[in-house]
Amino acid sequence: LAKTTQPISMDSYEGQEVNITCSHNNIATNDYITWYQQFPSQGPRFIIQGYKTKVTNEVASLFIPADRKSSTLSLPRVSLSDTAVYYCLVGTDSWGKLQFGAGTQVVVTP
Amino acid sequence: DTAVSQTPKYLVTQMGNDKSIKCEQNLGHDTMYWYKQDSKKFLKIMFSYNNKELIINETVPNRFSPKSPDKAHLNLHINSLELGDSAVYFCASSPGRRTFRYEQYFGPGTRLTVT
Repeated sequence: LAKTTQPISMDSYEGQEVNITCSHNNIATNDYITWYQQFPSQGPRFIIQGYKTKVTNEVASLFIPADRKSSTLSLPRVSLSDTAVYYCLVGTDSWGKLQFGAGTQVVVTP
Repeated sequence: DTAVSQTPKYLVTQMGNDKSIKCEQNLGHDTMYWYKQDSKKFLKIMFSYNNKELIINETVPNRFSPKSPDKAHLNLHINSLELGDSAVYFCASSPGRRTFRYEQYFGPGTRLTVT
């Protein structure tokens, strides 16, 4: 699995846009990039997945540059309820291992 | 209706005991998983079953034994519990056996404390 590196923590105020960048320098050709969100005392929840360029859903956007060696999760206009740990995962479309890194703790304050 | 449920939510037990955690999903998914999240919040996959067939068996002690009576249920039995087994155990499910490509749905977790 491609190793990922993301910031340990990020602070933000309500209403701001939060961008979390994940580095995955050794991403393979067939690898996808997936982000999960985990609230305290809950299991992780799928946010978004992409392969290249940009993907957007009702929760977030995922920006992937042409070289795919990094990706940025963008959370628009965060609220207090967006306080959570965000995990970046990179892997292939196979029934292999799904491993989570340390994640990024995002804290949103009023 | 809860999509992926686990029982119990909390489990406190003494070293050497044997305990089980149960998981059920009502999503009609074919694949189920067990993850362990330690005190440092690292989430590691332990096992995965696809239609009752074990497809992922990570390097975990033999004291951990998963069992899937049907594709909607996956239980985890732990023998001779040790202090290091204290963690939060998450069950998850996904539509197919492609662990990465398909979205995984996680249960609420079972916090196991071994004293």
